[in-house]
Amino acid sequence: TQLLEQSPQFLSIQEGENLTVYCNSSSVFSSLQWYRQEPGEGPVLLVTVVTGGEVKKLKRLTFQFGDARKDSSLHITAAQPGDTGLYLCAEFTGGGNKLTFGTGTQLKVEL
Amino acid sequence: GAVVSQHPSWVICKSGTSVKIECRSLDFQATTMFWYRQFPKQSLMLMATSNEGSKATYEQGVEKDKFLINHASLTLSTLTVTSAHPEDSSFYICSAPRLAGGGNEQFFGPGTRLTVL
Repeated sequence: TQLLEQSPQFLSIQEGENLTVYCNSSSVFSSLQWYRQEPGEGPVLLVTVVTGGEVKKLKRLTFQFGDARKDSSLHITAAQPGDTGLYLCAEFTGGGNKLTFGTGTQLKVEL
Repeated sequence: GAVVSQHPSWVICKSGTSVKIECRSLDFQATTMFWYRQFPKQSLMLMATSNEGSKATYEQGVEKDKFLINHASLTLSTLTVTSAHPEDSSFYICSAPRLAGGGNEQFFGPGTRLTVL
């Protein structure tokens, strides 16, 4: 079973700061998704990356897929309190729709 | 986007009782649904795959006799936690995949908070 390690595990920053979250795998990703989950809710899809070296932007969020497709990063510029949540990377496994989630990064952005 | 609902949103029960959680896809049909468990400050762990018209498939280490799954229709899957104990207290989340435009996207329910006293 592929293990998806995320770092850091916890991150507490001030509003306006930049941050990067990493997702690493022991083997090659077929594709990778990033989700954000707020307390008491289900995860919400942010982006899907498929091609090695791919970069996608979603407002202040920048997602990168490693050239070798074994790692990915999420960079947030000028973080805001509304960015607070659990960030999860995930990969489809088992040849179908089954998702395996990373270990998660808990982000807290304070005023 | 597609909507997946769960009911109840939270439940408190006594140890030894059984609890049923429903997962519904409201605007699309899902032959497959997934059940996850999430402990505080942790990630989602896949428990089982619910298959319409056939038996559920369980992940390693998940007791199928304790977590009963029934995919009653193309829009409804239920998870029953039998003889619940305090260690079963957790956040249970379901998801349903929908194929659209050649892509594959999972839609997650809002979760059910189970507390076993």
